[in-house]
Amino acid sequence: DAKTTQPPSMDCAEGRAANLPCNHSTISGNEYVYWYRQIHSQGPQYIIHGLKNNETNEMASLIITEDRKSSTLILPHATLRDTAVYYCIVRVSERAAGNKLTFGGGTRVLVKP
Amino acid sequence: DGGITQSPKYLFRKEGQNVTLSCEQNLNHDAMYWYRQDPGQGLRLIYYSQIVNDFQKGDIAEGYSVSREKKESFPLTVTSAQKNPTAFYLCASSIDRGGGALAKNIQYFGAGTRLSVL
Repeated sequence: DAKTTQPPSMDCAEGRAANLPCNHSTISGNEYVYWYRQIHSQGPQYIIHGLKNNETNEMASLIITEDRKSSTLILPHATLRDTAVYYCIVRVSERAAGNKLTFGGGTRVLVKP
Repeated sequence: DGGITQSPKYLFRKEGQNVTLSCEQNLNHDAMYWYRQDPGQGLRLIYYSQIVNDFQKGDIAEGYSVSREKKESFPLTVTSAQKNPTAFYLCASSIDRGGGALAKNIQYFGAGTRLSVL
């Protein structure tokens, strides 16, 4: 799985959009980008995933650059409940055995009133 | 509601004692996983199971044991051989067969069990 790089922390104002960057310059053609978040003392929660097209669901939007070397998770209207650690994970869609998710350091997002 | 239930929420272990953490899911998922998280760190895979009566070691299986006698249940035993068991333990599940390739990587997590040593 390709290595990802995320800023360790960022602040966001409540009600504003939060843009979370992720670099994955070594991503290969069959690897997808997945985003999870972990609210303090809870289990991680799946947010969204994509290959090369931009994706949107009820939680967030995912923008992947044309060269696929980086992506941005967008929380359109951040609320205090979005305060969490956000993890960007890159991996192939199919594994021969096991589906370990490698959670790196992530970005600690603090939404401020 | 469908989901993953872990119990207990908090657990204390005495020296030399084995303790078992419960994980139950009613999502009809084939695959289940146990992760360990230390403070300020990411998750590390302990064991995983893709089918009943079969399981595989993850990256840090030493000092732990599991069983998968039922599809819904994947208990984790922290044995006395695990010398540093204090951590946050997370159970997860995912569709494996029949769910499509992308679904395999969407794992659903329980609320976790926080284990401490007395």
